[in-house]
Amino acid sequence: AQSVTQLGSHVSVSEGALVLLRCNYSSSVPPYLFWYVQYPNQGLQLLLKYTSAATLVKGINGFEAEFKKSETSFHLTKPSAHMSDAAEYFCAVTRNSGGSNYKLTFGKGALLTVNP
Amino acid sequence: KAGVTQTPRYLIKTRGQQVTLSCSPISGHRSVSWYQQTPGQGLQFLFEYFSETQRNKGNFPGRFSGRQFSNSRSEMNVSTLELGDSALYLCASSWGGGQTYEQYFGPGTRLTVT
Repeated sequence: AQSVTQLGSHVSVSEGALVLLRCNYSSSVPPYLFWYVQYPNQGLQLLLKYTSAATLVKGINGFEAEFKKSETSFHLTKPSAHMSDAAEYFCAVTRNSGGSNYKLTFGKGALLTVNP
Repeated sequence: KAGVTQTPRYLIKTRGQQVTLSCSPISGHRSVSWYQQTPGQGLQFLFEYFSETQRNKGNFPGRFSGRQFSNSRSEMNVSTLELGDSALYLCASSWGGGQTYEQYFGPGTRLTVT
């Protein structure tokens, strides 16, 4: 079974400060990992994905994440927060089992607040 | 390319009724997945359809069912609605052929059961 833990359900940063959203996963097989963002009253938008290629993954809107197998982590960072980054962020995992597996397991989410 | 569309966007039903939600995937995508989002349980996988066949299933009761049509459009049905079924139901589409598993989500259908 797979699981995702997101530490910090509410994260508050100042505009221009570093954004760090934590994600740790548990998987018995090599994982595929994703970060999604959800704005109020909207669906989920894919920010970035790790699919066993480069361990440092760059996504949209200046976000990036680093896959660290030894730490079973996939933390999301952005060097400088913008007011428009305020949203809820979800980390998700699925199995890289070589077959078809489109069942995403999500973390509980982290609500990011950006203060002016 | 048009994104994933879901209809209706908002729905209010009474306990005991049934409801059908619709999802049109991105053109060319053959996999459609459904998720339930609630404040208490978060995002939970319901099921996935590929080429009109259910390929993966989550841990939901049999009241939740779905189907996929030959044009990849999908519907999900919830029978005998309960108050706890109030949620945002999200549909996601993907190419479905393996290798990459990113899913693209629609805006969701907000279901309220009274």
